[in-house]
Order: sequence, then structure tokens, then C-alpha cells
Amino acid sequence: KNQVEQSPQSLIILEGKNCTLQCNYTVSPFSNLRWYKQDTGRGPVSLTIMTFSENTKSNGRYTATLDADTKQSSLHITASQLSDSASYICVVRGGDYKLSFGAGTTVTVRA
Amino acid sequence: ETGVTQTPRHLVMGMTNKKSLKCEQHLGHNAMYWYKQSAKKPLELMFVYSLEERVENNSVPSRFSPECPNSSHLFLHLHTLQPEDSALYLCASSPSAFGGEGAYEQYFGPGTRLTVT
Repeated sequence: KNQVEQSPQSLIILEGKNCTLQCNYTVSPFSNLRWYKQDTGRGPVSLTIMTFSENTKSNGRYTATLDADTKQSSLHITASQLSDSASYICVVRGGDYKLSFGAGTTVTVRA
Repeated sequence: ETGVTQTPRHLVMGMTNKKSLKCEQHLGHNAMYWYKQSAKKPLELMFVYSLEERVENNSVPSRFSPECPNSSHLFLHLHTLQPEDSALYLCASSPSAFGGEGAYEQYFGPGTRLTVT
């Protein structure tokens, strides 16, 4: 069964600090990996998408990495802001059109 | 906003009630989805519609009944629900249910927070 595991489950950081979220997956064959941000009371919004050949991709202060060999991805948040408080979900698409979702990491940024 | 709207945003219903959730997308997409999101759990795909035809039904109990009258609207009819059905129900759309990466990016609505008492 294809699985996506995210860690940590939650974290608290001070405004201005950096943090890194982890995503490990067993989906095979692999097509792409997306990171979504879900604000409280809203649906998920795509931050980045990475394919097999991409190692790093940035979207503002968000940088995602992918190691397709070890089946690991990370999302790094630089100089965190209060608006970064949200749940971050890792989603992996397999060789068919099916998606596998992680349970998410809840990030709380405190002033 | 993502171009996908859902109503109502909050719903409290008893186990004997019948209610419906509505989703509308203004993006011209051909595929629509219902997901269930429970606390601390991954999103669970419930139904997939492509051009108004149901293409996936993930062993969802019959007390959940989807309806897709056209490619812009999707409903989830609820009846005789159980307390464990309380969750956030998310609707999403994408240009296509199949095909390349761009065709498959999903745009989510804000969800309906359902509480079954």
C-alpha cells in the first residue's frame, strides 16, 4: 500500500526563525510530489510541485527538496512569519493518476 | 480564493436528518472530487467525477450519495449519518482526472465542517 509519512506531527517556532518539515513516501512508481498549505478554515493550496528529475524548487520563502532515490522530501520555511501558521500536507502522485496524502504537519509561528 | 466554493461552511445534523453539501467550481475544470478530512489523518478520497461521470468510488458507505449534474456542480447527499462521520468535507476540481501534471493539479474549496450529533 502506498504511504506518505510526515514529521513532525506539529511544531512551534518563533517568528523569524527557520524550520524544516519532512515527508517520506513509499509510492511507486513515482510521478510527482506536491506540498500544500492549508490555513485554518480553508482548503489546501499548492505551494510547489516536484518531478523525479527535480531536486530543489522554491516559492518565495518556501523551498522544497526531493531525493527520489531515498524517497524523501522536505519543505524548508525561511524567516517564518505569523501567516505561515498552517498545516502543510505532502501529496505524492503515483504512476497512475492516484494521489497519496500525508497526515500533515501543523506549524504554529509565535511572535 | 481558489475558484471553488462550498456551502454550507458549517453543518450540524442529527443522525436521522437528510442534508446536502454543495460544491461549485468556476474554473472550467472537467473533474471534481469529494474528500473527507479527519483530525490528524490524511485526506480520504471519497468520489471522483470526470465530465459528470463517476470514475471512482472508494468504498464509501451508502449513506453518502454524490451527484454531479454538470461539470461545474457537485453535491454530496447525506442521510442516516453516524457520529464518526463528523469531519471536514472538502471539494476539489482539476482540469482533468487523468493525464499530465498540470492536468491533475487540484484546487480545493474551503470545506464544510460537518458535526453529527
